[in-house]
Amino acid sequence: EIVMTQSPATLSVSPGERATLSCRASQSVSSNLAWYQQKPGQAPRLLIFGASTRATGIPARFSGSGSGTEFTLSISSLQSEDFAVYYCQQYNNWPPLTFGGGTKVEIK
Amino acid sequence: EVQLVESGGGLVQPGGSLRLSCAASGFTFSSYWMHWVRQAPGKGLVWVSRINSDASSTNYADSVKGRFTISRDNAKNTLFLQMNSLRADDTAVYYCVRDRGWVGLFDPWGQGTLVTVSS
Repeated sequence: EIVMTQSPATLSVSPGERATLSCRASQSVSSNLAWYQQKPGQAPRLLIFGASTRATGIPARFSGSGSGTEFTLSISSLQSEDFAVYYCQQYNNWPPLTFGGGTKVEIK
Repeated sequence: EVQLVESGGGLVQPGGSLRLSCAASGFTFSSYWMHWVRQAPGKGLVWVSRINSDASSTNYADSVKGRFTISRDNAKNTLFLQMNSLRADDTAVYYCVRDRGWVGLFDPWGQGTLVTVSS
């Protein structure tokens, strides 16, 4: 099973600032890495797939990078609606499909 | 618009059974793999099970293998999860999710249904 590790667990950022979230895989997942956003009381939604491709309707301030075992999600200028929990997920080698533990982006 | 609407959650005693349903609309259901993903209260996301388009292939997380069964009715655009021998650690919101691209990518998600296993 591929273990996904996200850091930090909580990120405190001021609106308008840049946020950088990390995700590490226990073995290479190539570029088969996705990011999801989950707001309180809501279902997750797909942000990024293929490590760097934005899903339909996702603003350009969200960007993904990385390959192999190290990945990054960047939010260039945080808006109020971006404060949420973000999960990475690998779909390179499964079952099982595995998620990271999540990073909560909170208002500083 | 793609819609996934789960139902069937509720309170069940340990050792009991429950059947979740997910009504799909807005897309050709029979063409897509489907998944169940769960989230325990205050915790992260955990993949539970996947079924392919014609129900000829299924996969399960080790934690539910032998207890849960995923199935689908393509004529009724509905996905199911039969859950038997339920345990307290099965307590979670269960999400029905469409697979994007037949690769294990989740998009979109239903709103979820809460299953609580408690005496």
